[in-house]
Amino acid sequence: EIVMTQSPVSLPVTPGEPASISCRSSQSLMHSNGHNYLDWYLQKPGKAPQLLIYLASNRASGVPDRFSGSGSDRDFTLKISRVQAEDVGVYYCMQALQTQYTFGQGTKLEIK
Amino acid sequence: EVQLAESGGGLVQPGGSLRLSCAASGIKFSTYSMTWVRQAPGGGLEWVSAINTVGSNTYYASSVRGRFTISRDNSKNTTYLQMSSLRADDTATYYCAAAGTGVWGQGTLVTVSS
Repeated sequence: EIVMTQSPVSLPVTPGEPASISCRSSQSLMHSNGHNYLDWYLQKPGKAPQLLIYLASNRASGVPDRFSGSGSDRDFTLKISRVQAEDVGVYYCMQALQTQYTFGQGTKLEIK
Repeated sequence: EVQLAESGGGLVQPGGSLRLSCAASGIKFSTYSMTWVRQAPGGGLEWVSAINTVGSNTYYASSVRGRFTISRDNSKNTTYLQMSSLRADDTATYYCAAAGTGVWGQGTLVTVSS
């Protein structure tokens, strides 16, 4: 099983300021096709997780361009350039390299 | 628009059974592997089970293997999760997802309690 480790657990941010979340996997998420099978999700209170970033750096349809993903192999980062109030919720990284998906423990973003 | 809709959740006694359904629309269902993920109240996300496009290969988390069975009916665009020998720690919201799409359903709550 691939273990996913996220940090920080809690992330208080002032509106308009940037935010960054780190995700590290216990083994490489690089497929032989050259893609990193790492997704980022945001779960807003009371809702299902929604896809933000797929294959480490591709924004999902409709996701604002203030969200960006980067990284490769075992280290990945989600960045929000300017946090808005609607960005509150829990962010999860997820590896999709193996059929048995595994998730980070989540990062709760809150507004200061 | 791609949509997944889970149903079948509810309150069940320990040791009981329940069958969840996940109906898909807006996608060519038979070309996607399907996955179930659960989330205990206040907890994180846990992968539960997956099935390939034709239903010939199934996969389970160790916590549910031998108790849960995943299946699909491509003629009905539906995947199922048959849950038996339910325990209190199976209490969770269960989500289905179409692999590789990032599309999840809204979830269905399963509560195991006497």
